[in-house]
Order: sequence, then C-alpha cells, then structure tokens
Amino acid sequence: EPEVTQTPSHQVTQMGQEVILRCVPISNHLYFYWYRQILGQKVEFLVSFYNNEISEKSEIFDDQFSVERPDGSNFTLKIRSTKLEDSAMYFCASSDASGIPIGPDTQYFGPGTRLTVL
Amino acid sequence: GQQLNQSPQSMFIQEGEDVSMNCTSSSIFNTWLWYKQDPGEGPVLLIALYKAGELTSNGRLTAQFGITRKDSFLNISASIPSDVGIYFCAGQYSGGGADGLTFGKGTHLIIQP
Repeated sequence: EPEVTQTPSHQVTQMGQEVILRCVPISNHLYFYWYRQILGQKVEFLVSFYNNEISEKSEIFDDQFSVERPDGSNFTLKIRSTKLEDSAMYFCASSDASGIPIGPDTQYFGPGTRLTVL
Repeated sequence: GQQLNQSPQSMFIQEGEDVSMNCTSSSIFNTWLWYKQDPGEGPVLLIALYKAGELTSNGRLTAQFGITRKDSFLNISASIPSDVGIYFCAGQYSGGGADGLTFGKGTHLIIQP
C-alpha cells in the first residue's frame, strides 16, 4: 500500500541553524501539507501546497518557514533559523483531491520527523 | 481560528468494553476525519466522513457526521489491547483540496487488563 515517507526520523540541531525536513508524498497525490505536533499537544496545520505554490498557511508558518517541491517526488520544509520552540514532531501529509474544488480530500500522514532544537 | 472540542480527554476501560468519543465545533465542517496515533508515529486514518448525517463503519469502528455539520462521534465496539492509543478527530471546511485540517486535542484510550 502506498505511503508517505519522511526523512530523517530524528533531527537534532543547534538554535539558529537551518534545517530541511524531507517528505516523499504518495505518488499520484497532488496536494501536500506540513503539520507539527509539540510534545503532548494536538496536531497543528502549517501549510498546504498545490501546483507548485502555497495554497494556505497558518499563522504559525511565518517567514522562517518555507516549502519547496524540488523535483517530481520530494516535498521539503525548511526552517531558516531554528528556535527552541520549533522543537516538535513534523508531519507531512498528502491527498488526492486532484484539484476538484469540492469533493473528498482524505489526507494521509507520514511517520514524522522529530526535530529537537538545543 | 476554528476550534474542535474533543471528549473525553482520556478513557480507562476494560478489554471487551465499547468506547465512545466525540468532537464538537462552533463552526461548520464539510469533512470529518478520525485518526489514531501510536507513540512516536504519525496519525493513521481510521474513518473519513463527507456528508452530513453519514454513518460509516470500518470493522469494529463506527463514526457519524453530525447533521448540523458541527459534530462527529466515533464508537469502538468490543475493545482489544491494540486499540490503545490516542484518537484524534479532524475537520476540514472546504471538503476538497488545500484546506488544512483542524485537529481536536485527542482522546487517550487506555485498556486495563
């Protein structure tokens, strides 16, 4: 069964450093998402991406964050200058809404990258 | 932003018991999803609901999309040890495409031997 994959599974970085989290969405999916989950808290939406541009972003997704689809398979989240409060699990998700404005849109999640900022 | 109220926060049950949890919102969602998350892993989709009033089953799991579009429940019948985990409801306004999901805070299910 197709699944979303993420690398690395765990990233440790120093405050102020840049990190890039990588995701390979399910191959025929067209919508891609990043979420984060601070330890013990709920999952929070960061950004969605479709047709090589950001579709929607939350207030969490500030100028320190950026997303990119550098090739036909990868989807990345970059944090330019990490802060202590960026420590969290980061989940990538994808869906096969296929650009239809109204219709089923089931998002499938990857296993996550645990980011620890020291 | 939109908020989901999920209850109960945690449940301590005996194996074989039935479980019920629910989510309510002050605003309308057009899609409701239920996920299960095991420690250190990503959310795994259990059931997706797309129409108000829809009742959908997946094995021992049953979920319903409330008629007002502001609530949903998940029932688990005859619980087994592998049901242990955190269950999240999630709502999406647009029902199609780029909108992010709004998650509840989760229901932590613990099964006592």
